[in-house]
Amino acid sequence: QVQLQESGPGLVKPSETLSLTCAVSYYSISGSYYWGWIRQPPGKGLEWIGSSYHSGNTYYNPSLKSRVTISVDTSKSQLSLKLRSVTAADTAVYYCARLGSPAGPTVTTFDYWGQGTLVTVSS
Amino acid sequence: QSALTQPASVSGSPGQSITISCTGTTSDVGSYNFVSWYQQYPGKAPKLMIYEVNKRPSGVSNRFSGSKSVNTASLTISGLQAEDEADYYCCSYAGSSSVIFGGGTKLTVL
Repeated sequence: QVQLQESGPGLVKPSETLSLTCAVSYYSISGSYYWGWIRQPPGKGLEWIGSSYHSGNTYYNPSLKSRVTISVDTSKSQLSLKLRSVTAADTAVYYCARLGSPAGPTVTTFDYWGQGTLVTVSS
Repeated sequence: QSALTQPASVSGSPGQSITISCTGTTSDVGSYNFVSWYQQYPGKAPKLMIYEVNKRPSGVSNRFSGSKSVNTASLTISGLQAEDEADYYCCSYAGSSSVIFGGGTKLTVL
């Protein structure tokens, strides 16, 4: 059973960079799947941030593209997220997830999720 | 990219059936058979319930079913149970390896 665990600072100051990592267990991050980040502001809906493959192939939500970098570190079996110039609007629970389904690898569906980590942007 | 449109809330009594709609555009729901549905309990991560419009992962009750017509996808839950009370989100492929979520629907079991 694939396991994902997000970690990182729970509090980030406005204008700074939010940095999170996602540790992947029981599946090789170098395998055939993309890995992604999704966020959820308190009391609101889900928003796709971006998806990345271990080869470096990465896709971003157009609304966040100018501020986001997602990468896969195969040596540490980790997925990372960097979001620059944050504001209060970036306060959210951040989830990492595997892009897959029972049919196999895909870029359309999220089959395994981490538990999420709350990041608050405040001075 | 604007979020897919879902009703904010739906409700039903135990044993009844409910349907949650998810309306997109010809750029997402209408163009691809890659709509998925997620169930989320408060404070928990979403769980995949339906993928590729109408397919159920192993372990998901057959009371959950999905469908699509033109630009609107639907999730139907039959034989409603108290444990179905949760938030439900649709998600559609939107081309260029991007996806878009719906705003979410809160299901209340009366």
